[in-house]
Amino acid sequence: DGGITQSPKYLFRKEGQNVTLSCEQNLNHDAMYWYRQDPGQGLRLIYYSQIVNDFQKGDIAEGYSVSREKKESFPLTVTSAQKNPTAFYLCASSQVLHLGGTGELFFGEGSRLTVL
Amino acid sequence: GEDVEQSLFLSVREGDSSVINCTYTDSSSTYLYWYKQEPGAGLQLLTYIFSNMDMKQDQRLTVLLNKKDKHLSLRIADTQTGDSAIYFCAENEGGATNKLIFGTGTLLAVQP
Repeated sequence: DGGITQSPKYLFRKEGQNVTLSCEQNLNHDAMYWYRQDPGQGLRLIYYSQIVNDFQKGDIAEGYSVSREKKESFPLTVTSAQKNPTAFYLCASSQVLHLGGTGELFFGEGSRLTVL
Repeated sequence: GEDVEQSLFLSVREGDSSVINCTYTDSSSTYLYWYKQEPGAGLQLLTYIFSNMDMKQDQRLTVLLNKKDKHLSLRIADTQTGDSAIYFCAENEGGATNKLIFGTGTLLAVQP
């Protein structure tokens, strides 16, 4: 079945460590996104990519990094520079509007990161 | 910048109708969306409405769009306990990107 797979579902990290969250999609979508969710704050955009080998900062990119070497994959690294990394991270993909889609995002099941 | 606002909480009795409201700011949005999130899970698209429409109905769901007031609502008829979740509205930012701007989410609690 087509979809988006995020791993791991739960992750614990000690302060000062970098961690990488995986996101893979087999929907043949050009665009991929990373959102962070905190209680009562909705979803905030970290990074997005509309095409392979290109990505842009979202609203809260500081302390995060991404790569887009393959169309199917958009891993997110939470670096030690992120001051408050404990959160629920959501990856999404979509077909870009100008290719005739409705712009809807398809989400993975999320990864919960806890810093100890 | 763009902003999408929702009330944080709504409680209804099973069998009643639920109405979740949303206001947005970007008048150039092409589509507006409603997503549902169950505990510990990702978001699932419930429905969307094209910006030149006033209403869209899909089984128990009715979406109303008032472009003049930049107000979007989601009505769930005959609300069931399985409808308990967080509901997010989102607007498409417009322009060449496909960025969605999400509201803070409304927690719908359905009482049996």
